[in-house]
Amino acid sequence: GDSVTQMEGPVTLSEEAFLTINCTYTATGYPSLFWYVQYPGEGLQLLLKATKADDKGSNKGFEATYRKETTSFHLEKGSVQVSDSAVYFCALSPTGNQFYFGTGTSLTVIP
Amino acid sequence: DAGITQSPRHKVTETGTPVTLRCHQTENHRYMYWYRQDPGHGLRLIHYSYGVKDTDKGEVSDGYSVSRSKTEDFLLTLESATSSQTSVYFCAISFGGQGNSPLHFGNGTRLTVT
Repeated sequence: GDSVTQMEGPVTLSEEAFLTINCTYTATGYPSLFWYVQYPGEGLQLLLKATKADDKGSNKGFEATYRKETTSFHLEKGSVQVSDSAVYFCALSPTGNQFYFGTGTSLTVIP
Repeated sequence: DAGITQSPRHKVTETGTPVTLRCHQTENHRYMYWYRQDPGHGLRLIHYSYGVKDTDKGEVSDGYSVSRSKTEDFLLTLESATSSQTSVYFCAISFGGQGNSPLHFGNGTRLTVT
């Protein structure tokens, strides 16, 4: 069945470091892919999305490229800030009505 | 933020008591979902609704029921709460029907069953 696997955390980085959070997926067809971010005490917020192969989603300095050949959607940011500390979730939607989430990766950025 | 309100935000209840959580949306989205979030499990779908009075089970539906009598409200009921249902519950909505329509989440309800 459809599923998402993302890298285990927690991840701790110094401010201005480069961030990569790996995400791979298993799906039939051509799912849409998403990254969500969750700050403490809040719900998940959509960070970025991509709906077809080779699409690049971007928002707030974060980027992820839909790679069908490697079934991946890795999240990257060139220079993280303390305010980026949160839990990040990769997700896919094969139909637009069903969604599958990874287990989340906790990121802590230290000054 | 999408117009999604969950109530209550926090609740402590005793084993065996019924509990109802409410999700209210002002976006007129067709699809509504209930998820639970637990450490090590990420988000797991409990039930979802694709219209008024139209609901279906998710992967962890045992012990839960839902109702949707109006487009804007989606209720989650624990008929007889157990300690294993201690969790954070999130409601989400989606325009639905399209592969690029994302989920929008409420801020969650933290439920503790003692």
